[in-house]
Amino acid sequence: GAVVSQHPSRVICKSGTSVKIECRSLDFQATTMFWYRQFPKQSLMLMATSNEGSKATYEQGVEKDKFLINHASLTLSTLTVTSAHPEDSSFYICSAPPAGGNEQFFGPGTRLTVL
Amino acid sequence: AQSVSQHNHHVILSEAASLELGCNYSYGGTVNLFWYVQYPGQHLQLLLKYFSGDPLVKGIKGFEAEFIKSKFSFNLRKPSVQWSDTAEYFCAVLLTGGGNKLTFGTGTQLKVEL
Repeated sequence: GAVVSQHPSRVICKSGTSVKIECRSLDFQATTMFWYRQFPKQSLMLMATSNEGSKATYEQGVEKDKFLINHASLTLSTLTVTSAHPEDSSFYICSAPPAGGNEQFFGPGTRLTVL
Repeated sequence: AQSVSQHNHHVILSEAASLELGCNYSYGGTVNLFWYVQYPGQHLQLLLKYFSGDPLVKGIKGFEAEFIKSKFSFNLRKPSVQWSDTAEYFCAVLLTGGGNKLTFGTGTQLKVEL
């Protein structure tokens, strides 16, 4: 099956700093990637849709200036959490459907802890 | 807005017991339906999916699910669970023509005891 990777798997940062998370589709191209956030013992909440070559579309309530998304190529999307605060601590997961498909493949997630 | 409900938040079973996890969605249009599993410390994996055709779908590891359109349901079943099935299970719905956006249920934590 298709493989999606994320880097880093864990990151700890100080409050006020910015953190970049990468999502890569390793063996397929993805014009669209999705970023989710998962709080402990809760479901995945879609944050935004990353679109290659155009702006990301954000779900209601998600601050686009705080969660910057860049879909630089057909295999890479990045999520930057700017000026991170402890309440941003969470598990961030990306997914991607191969171009033309509607089955999504998920990355292993990134655990962000903001001190 | 569409929603996905999983009524069982925590389920504890003994090995060899039968499993049924409920999933209901609220949307009247055409949907694609998924069940994902998340083992402790691991990423989401697809168990099975329904796009069209036979409403009884068989997935990996002996799981199956039945799409009942009239009930807006897609319940997950396994006749005999194993300790290794301990995990969190998520139902998800994708609206066709909805930009490939998945809506997840709240998840069901399954614990299988020896």
